Formats: sequence, structure tokens, C-alpha cells
Amino acid sequence: TQLLEQSPQFLSIQEGENLTVYCNSSSVFSSLQWYRQEPGEGPVLLVTVVTGGEVKKLKRLTFQFGDARKDSSLHITAAQTGDTGLYLCAGYGGGTSYGKLTFGQGTILTVHP
Amino acid sequence: DTGVSQDPRHKITKRGQNVTFRCDPISEHNRLYWYRQTLGQGPEFLTYFQNEAQLEKSRLLSDRFSAERPKGSFSTLEIQRTEQGDSAMYLCASSLASAGRNEQFFGPGTRLTVL
Repeated sequence: TQLLEQSPQFLSIQEGENLTVYCNSSSVFSSLQWYRQEPGEGPVLLVTVVTGGEVKKLKRLTFQFGDARKDSSLHITAAQTGDTGLYLCAGYGGGTSYGKLTFGQGTILTVHP
Repeated sequence: DTGVSQDPRHKITKRGQNVTFRCDPISEHNRLYWYRQTLGQGPEFLTYFQNEAQLEKSRLLSDRFSAERPKGSFSTLEIQRTEQGDSAMYLCASSLASAGRNEQFFGPGTRLTVL
């Protein structure tokens, strides 16, 4: 069974602070995706990382895929109140399944003004 | 730009009733997925289709659950004899199958409450 451990589960910070969310697994994934979800809505895709060691930037968000493609991180610089939400990592491919995404349990981020 | 749509957005039903949800994927996507999400958790995979073929089902999908995608376009998820434990957000996603990436785009979900 593939598992993704996401940490921390909750993060409460002040506007302007930096933060990092981690996503770890003992399994190798073909790719890893990060989503952001608002209450009552579906997850929205932020980025996909495919190559081991890959780094992608999306404005103030930096995503990294581990060299062994087992872990990933999301770093937010100078957080804003609009960054508040549930952040989910999801791994694709690996083992015997080439359809589903395996999700972490999510990180609830609250950015206070 | 038409994304994934789901209907209804909310459903309240009594225990023992049957419910059916519909998902319309992004038009050029050949894969369609169903996930279930409970409060404070990440989505859990239920099943997926490539075109009209159902290729994988989770052990979470009990005999009371059935999904169809008859013409390879929209899909329905039916839950028979609903139980309180079925209360959750049911999410549909679609993708264009390709090796290594499989970027899945999600709909807004259907929130099911079983009383």
C-alpha cells in the first residue's frame, strides 16, 4: 500500500512569514502533484513535478521533488491571507496502479493578517 | 474553458435511500475518476474509467456502490441503501492519459449528507 505522509497537519502563521510543507513516502512515484482546496470546493492543481530533483516556482511558491522521487516539499515565501487553505500532495504511478492518485492527509494553512 | 462539472452540489438523503451523482469531465479527457473525501482528510480513490471501461476499483467501493460511464463521456456514481457512514464529499476528476504525469483536474464535488 502506498502512503504519503504530509506534515505539518496544521499551520497557523502571520502574514509575511515563510513556511514549508513536507510530503514523504517510502514509495517511488512517477510524478507528484500539489493541490490547494478551499472549503466546499474541489482541489485545484497547482503544479506537477516529474523529474527527481526538479524545482518549480509559481510566484511565491516553490515546489521540489526529491532526488529519489519519494518526497516533495512546498515552500511559501512571505505568506499572504489569500494563501489560506488546505494543501494536498498527491503521488501518481508506482506499484501496480497507473490510474489513481494517492493523497496525503493535507496541511491546513491559516495566514493571519 | 469548461472544467469538470458535478451535479448536484449538495444532496441530503435519509438512510436507506438510493442516490445518484453525475460528473461531466473536460471534453477531450479520456480518463474519469471518482474519489471520496471526509472532513480533515485527503481524497481517497474509489474507481476510474478509461473511455467507457472501468479499469480499477478500490476496496472502499462496496457492493452498494456502482459507477458507469456508458458512452465514454459523462459518468454516474450510484449509492444504494445509503448509510450514515457514506456522508462525505464525492469528487470527480478527469485527465488525458499519458505516461508519467496524469494531471487530474477536479470538479467542485457533491456533498452527501445521510441522516
